[in-house]
Amino acid sequence: GENVEQHPSTLSVQEGDSAVIKCTYSDSASNYFPWYKQELGKRPQLIIDIRSNVGEKKDQRIAVTLNKTAKHFSLHITETQPEDSAVYFCAASKGRRALTFGSGTRLQVQP
Amino acid sequence: KAGVTQTPRYLIKTRGQQVTLSCSPISGHRSVSWYQQTPGQGLQFLFEYFSETQRNKGNFPGRFSGRQFSNSRSEMNVSTLELGDSALYLCASSLEGGVTDTQYFGPGTRLTVL
Repeated sequence: GENVEQHPSTLSVQEGDSAVIKCTYSDSASNYFPWYKQELGKRPQLIIDIRSNVGEKKDQRIAVTLNKTAKHFSLHITETQPEDSAVYFCAASKGRRALTFGSGTRLQVQP
Repeated sequence: KAGVTQTPRYLIKTRGQQVTLSCSPISGHRSVSWYQQTPGQGLQFLFEYFSETQRNKGNFPGRFSGRQFSNSRSEMNVSTLELGDSALYLCASSLEGGVTDTQYFGPGTRLTVL
């Protein structure tokens, strides 16, 4: 089955800096790659997603890039703010809605 | 629109008991997926239901089962509880369960097995 590896497990940045989280997937047939943000005690919330026919997608301070050949995708957060502090999960899926999640990255933005 | 709701939010059970968790999807959503979240294993897919049929299943033992009703509400059941079943159980709904349909998560049910 699909396997998704996520790095780093923890990331600490200064407010205003950029943060990058990387994921690799194993199944070349995967075609949908969402990113979820989970604050402490809260539900995971979708922040951005990308389909396999797109190489990059941006939404304000957040961007995701996908390299299908290398089977990896990355989340980029620019101008980080303290409210960006959370655990971020990448995921991959193909076919029917079985998301395979990465292990999560705990991002801490220092004011 | 109201979001995905789950009941109960917290449960404490003892080993050997069984438990039923409930999930109400966003109105109009017909696909419901269940996930188990633990510190050690992360988020793992349990199963997905669409139109009262299980369409996909993860690698969990048969003690984990589910069902979906005609109004798209879903329940999952865990029988013969083990200590390792302690986890946050999340359900997520999407419109049709299409490969790129966004999944919206509920707040989860925190199950503690003593």
